[in-house]
Amino acid sequence: SSELTQDPAVSVALGQTVRITCQGDSLRSYYANWYQQKPGQAPVLVIYGKDNRPSGIPDRFSGSSSGNTASLTITGAQAEDEADYYCNSVDRTIFGGGTKLTVL
Amino acid sequence: EVQLLESGGGLVQPGGSLRLSCAASGFTFSSYAMSWVRQAPGKGLEWVSSISSSGGGTYYGDSVKGRFTISRDNSKNTLYLQMNSLRAEDTAVYYCTKDSVDGSTWYSDYWGQGTLVTVSS
Repeated sequence: SSELTQDPAVSVALGQTVRITCQGDSLRSYYANWYQQKPGQAPVLVIYGKDNRPSGIPDRFSGSSSGNTASLTITGAQAEDEADYYCNSVDRTIFGGGTKLTVL
Repeated sequence: EVQLLESGGGLVQPGGSLRLSCAASGFTFSSYAMSWVRQAPGKGLEWVSSISSSGGGTYYGDSVKGRFTISRDNSKNTLYLQMNSLRAEDTAVYYCTKDSVDGSTWYSDYWGQGTLVTVSS
């Protein structure tokens, strides 16, 4: 299957660590990309490949992978991290359904 | 600074056509693949189409294959999406993206602000 599955919603207390997951058969062989989208704004790339952060993305964002699951971890979540997060396949043609992150 | 500016969106009747444009600046346009990604109101992201740096390779999602055509003019630093036989389900914000590759991983490292296409009678 080429689908990517994400939990619809996740919450985290301010300053705590949260993991957002993405499942799919393709992830057994390849890493996922991750995008952050805030309301009314275009998506922003936060992680690509194994665990690469574009310039300007805080180091509290990290990526990992195990088996058929890719994860985006935010260590010490901030209020400004509240957003929708989408995983994306290595060839960029498949998106997960998105996870709405709420920072409490 | 990389900038991607989409234009051409608007209201169109079912069965109609529309051409989107994306004016790029701040990078060597002819060296990068480009894509269109859309987002229906209140929904997630959907990849629509990609084009190689030279324009010689084009790729489409199943939902638009045969109806949409991606193209580029490297002399004008502009990406296009010709949309024909439009349906209500094509209603979405359409984003233009600049694509890069790291090993075997493709990713969209810059996105435009999007242009809204509404298909309705």
